This record gives sequence, structure tokens and C-alpha cells, in this order.
Amino acid sequence: AQSVTQPDIHITVSEGASLELRCNYSYGATPYLFWYVQSPGQGLQLLLKYFSGDTLVQGIKGFEAEFKRSQSSFNLRKPSVHWSDAAEYFCAVGAPGDDKIIFGKGTRLHILP
Amino acid sequence: DADVTQTPRNRITKTGKRIMLECSQTKGHDRMYWYRQDPGLGLQLIYYSFDVKDINKGEISDGYSVSRQAQAKFSLSLESAIPNQTALYFCASTDGTGELFFGEGSRLTVL
Repeated sequence: AQSVTQPDIHITVSEGASLELRCNYSYGATPYLFWYVQSPGQGLQLLLKYFSGDTLVQGIKGFEAEFKRSQSSFNLRKPSVHWSDAAEYFCAVGAPGDDKIIFGKGTRLHILP
Repeated sequence: DADVTQTPRNRITKTGKRIMLECSQTKGHDRMYWYRQDPGLGLQLIYYSFDVKDINKGEISDGYSVSRQAQAKFSLSLESAIPNQTALYFCASTDGTGELFFGEGSRLTVL
């Protein structure tokens, strides 16, 4: 069965600084990988996903993520954060051929002015 | 109108009561999901369904049951609610591309 770990519960960065949110997964083969964002009081929105192919994936709102098989990681990055990026970010993993999608515990991003 | 609609949005109930949370989607998706969100625990999968004849347990199905009444409808029931089932519940659907479309959530409080 697949599982996903987000090591950082909270991350604080200054507006304009770069961002990297960590995600590690456990699965025997190449999984499907996702990043979702949840703004306060809102549902979840997909930022980007990886199924196969190019390991660097571009998403919405200027985010990107890189799949590294050797490290079982799918870290989310943004070169310059904006105050509106303050939210909770969830990494999720799915198994090809199975519809089960499992989420990590989330990382809450705080932005300093 | 929202693509994935959950009712009720908020519910307060007492221990031992039966509660049903309903979800409907207008996206024509065949896959539907119920998740529970607790602070610090992320989203935990309760049940998921590939179609009306296919129901699968997720990570935390104990104490919950589901019904897929039609392709567009997926209900979650708590037969005898207990306080530790107090949480925010999300329904979601997908067509298999991996992108989950979420409802706005149902906040349940069990006293």
C-alpha cells in the first residue's frame, strides 16, 4: 500500500523568498503524485500532478515539483512566494490501476511581510 | 453551482445518533471519495467507489458506511456517532485522471 510523508508541519518564509515543501512517498513502483492547496475555509485545489515522463512538473500559480525516484520524493517549489500563497499544502499519492489516493498530513505555509 | 455538492454543510448531533452526509456531483465522474480532515492529520480516506457496484474501504472505515445510490451520488453514514468522529468531511470525485474535485466540506460536531 502506498503512503506519503510531509516532514514539515509548518514553514515560514518571507514574501519574495523561494519556497520548497518536502514530500516523501512509499510505493513499490512509480506512483501517481499530486500537490493540492487548501486556503483557509476552502476545499482543496490541485496545483500539479505527475503520472510519468518529464520529472519536472509545472503547475498553476507558478509552482513546480520534481519527481526523484532515487529519493522517493516529490518536492514542491516556487521561486518567489506571494502573501496569497499562505495556505496548507498537501502531497498525495495514488497507485496506478488502483483508485485509492492517500494524502499526507499537510504543511502549513506562513508568509512574513 | 458547485460541481460537487455536500449536504449538510454543518451539523451538530449527539452521541449515538445516526447521521448521513450526502454528496452529489455534476461532472459525470465515475469515481467518488469520502475523506475526513482533522487538524494535524491531513485528509484520511474513509471510503472510495469506482462505480455503483464497487465500494472500497479506505484508511479509516471503522464506524462509517457508505452508499452509492447512483453514479452522481455517494452518501456517508455514521450509524452511531461518537465524539471522536467530530471532524470536517470532504467528498470528492474524479474521472480517473487523478485530479480530485472536492466539495466544500461538511463540518460535523458530535456532542
